[in-house]
Amino acid sequence: SAVISQKPSRDICQRGTSLTIQCQVDSQVTMMFWYRQQPGQSLTLIATANQGSEATYESGFVIDKFPISRPNLTFSTLTVSNMSPEDSSIYLCSVLIRSGETQYFGPGTRLLVL
Amino acid sequence: SQQGEEDPQALSIQEGENATMNCSYKTSINNLQWYRQNSGRGLVHLILIRSNEREKHSGRLRVTLDTSKKSSSLLITASRAADTASYFCATAKAAGNKLTFGGGTRVLVKP
Repeated sequence: SAVISQKPSRDICQRGTSLTIQCQVDSQVTMMFWYRQQPGQSLTLIATANQGSEATYESGFVIDKFPISRPNLTFSTLTVSNMSPEDSSIYLCSVLIRSGETQYFGPGTRLLVL
Repeated sequence: SQQGEEDPQALSIQEGENATMNCSYKTSINNLQWYRQNSGRGLVHLILIRSNEREKHSGRLRVTLDTSKKSSSLLITASRAADTASYFCATAKAAGNKLTFGGGTRVLVKP
């Protein structure tokens, strides 16, 4: 398994501002993903964070709104830009280790936009 | 869009009873994974079952997979109050691929 940390764990932000969420893993991983969980809902994949190249976004998510970086094999950031109350969600990163199949999730970042 | 649908959406049982929840999906998969989430926190991985497997056990958990019906079930035996959580199934079309989540089942175990 892997130990995954996310910062911040929670935040309250004003609309129109941006927040950058960090995901740090204690070991090198092959794949990193970012998910969103809206209140009372299931998880939806935002994008796959690719090391050294642009992230691969899912339908309905765009780079201008959710820019992602992954400078190395253990770290990634997700920025939620120009936030609105509809962005209030839990944002979770997940990882795959080596050629494993199991995805491990971070503790999540709970975001409230006022 | 979500690949999987789970039922029931919510389940309330007494401690000691068994809890069963089902997951259906739409396309072929490589594996299916079950997760638990307590109070909006991070997801805890419970069990992974591959498309060529029919049943797996882990402690009090039993998972079945029927690829012909595109469905899976999670059984929690002898439930405890600490099992109160939301349970999600998630499917991967290929090994090491992104996951598509079901809607989840909220389980309440009353002491």
